[in-house]
Formats: sequence, C-alpha cells, structure tokens
Amino acid sequence: DADVTQTPRNRITKTGKRIMLECSQTKGHDRMYWYRQDPGLGLRLIYYSFDVKDINKGEISDGYSVSRQAQAKFSLSLESAIPNQTALYFCATGSRGVRTETQYFGPGTRLLVL
Amino acid sequence: AQSVTQLDSHVSVSEGTPVLLRCNYSSSYSPSLFWYVQHPNKGLQLLLKYTSAATLVKGINGFEAEFKKSETSFHLTKPSAHMSDAAEYFCVVSDNSWGKLQFGAGTQVVVTP
Repeated sequence: DADVTQTPRNRITKTGKRIMLECSQTKGHDRMYWYRQDPGLGLRLIYYSFDVKDINKGEISDGYSVSRQAQAKFSLSLESAIPNQTALYFCATGSRGVRTETQYFGPGTRLLVL
Repeated sequence: AQSVTQLDSHVSVSEGTPVLLRCNYSSSYSPSLFWYVQHPNKGLQLLLKYTSAATLVKGINGFEAEFKKSETSFHLTKPSAHMSDAAEYFCVVSDNSWGKLQFGAGTQVVVTP
C-alpha cells in the first residue's frame, strides 16, 4: 500500500462549489504539506502543518483552508471553487533528518473547476 | 531567499545516450538540494538528495548529481538513458530552516528509440 494516499484522484466541479481533498499517510511523520502544481511553475506551497495543533499558511493560501484531523490526516478545502484553482494538487509528508527534511509525495489529485 | 533555475524546459535524448539536466540555485544559507521525478499521472518520487556530505550524490535508477558550490549548480546525469526515464524532473532547494522547499519549473525528458 502507498505511504501517502490522496482522494479523490480526479475531480470535476463547478464554480462556487465547496470541495474537499483528503490526504492520509502511514509514514508516521508529524509534518504534512499541501502543494499545487501548474504547468511551468513547479510546485507551490498552499498550507503546512508541523503537528495536529500547528497549521500555517504557505505562499498561495488565499481561497483555501485546511484541517488536520489527526497526525495521519490532512485535508484541503476550497470554500468556493474558481476556475483558476484548476490544477494538480499534491499532499506530502516530511521526515526531519540530522540536517534537513525530506518530503514524500502522494499521487496527486487532478482538479478541474468549470 | 532561495530560488532554483532549471536551464532546460525540455530535453530529448536517444535511448542509450547520456542524460544531462541542468540546475542552478540561489540560497542565503547552506542549502540542501533534491531531484524529484514525476512520471505521467504519478506523484513525485525522490531521486536523490544532497545534504552537505559527499558532493557527488548517487540516486536511484542510475542517476547521480554533483553539488558545485562555486558554480551554484546541481546538475543531474545518467550515463545511458532508458525509455522508462521519460518523465518530468524537478530540482528543489531547501534552506533547512524548516521544510520549506523551492521547486524549479521542471524539465521534461523525452527518450527516443
């Protein structure tokens, strides 16, 4: 089984709808992240969480919210979806080493907002 | 502040020939550097990472990268491309203060028979 899972894998929604993307992990990591990927822009950080009670905004958090329900679960919500939120969304977990942190990514959720 | 520039948006190679993906970085700190690969409709997989130990880093699937501080580069190479290497590759820098990563724009690799 995959260490980081995301549901759904694909989603089509309409402008103005509220949707939730879910992420679960079995790696036992405290740190979790949400990114979005747009062509030619790499990945950009939306929100991150260092533990259940520590949630922080990333560089592009406007229009998004998150919930850390447990160490293993981190959900991303779009309160009122708009077309420019059409993107590929990745969840990641972080493992802190001696000098740096290594992040492990889920398979992604492809979202289309009409 | 940190940034990453991947010098080629697309690279096309013939199967069996060497692969070179170029990456330059900028960082205010002593950085860690990573290469991730994304196969079509798949998530990102860690190929290798540099964290201040040996400057020549070996990764999975025959890839390696060399950290050159004087050139602020972290180029990824493979001696002989395989069809399964067709994917998008991301160079990533971390300033190590926490998990903040800065991604390059990606290099799309095409492998021709």
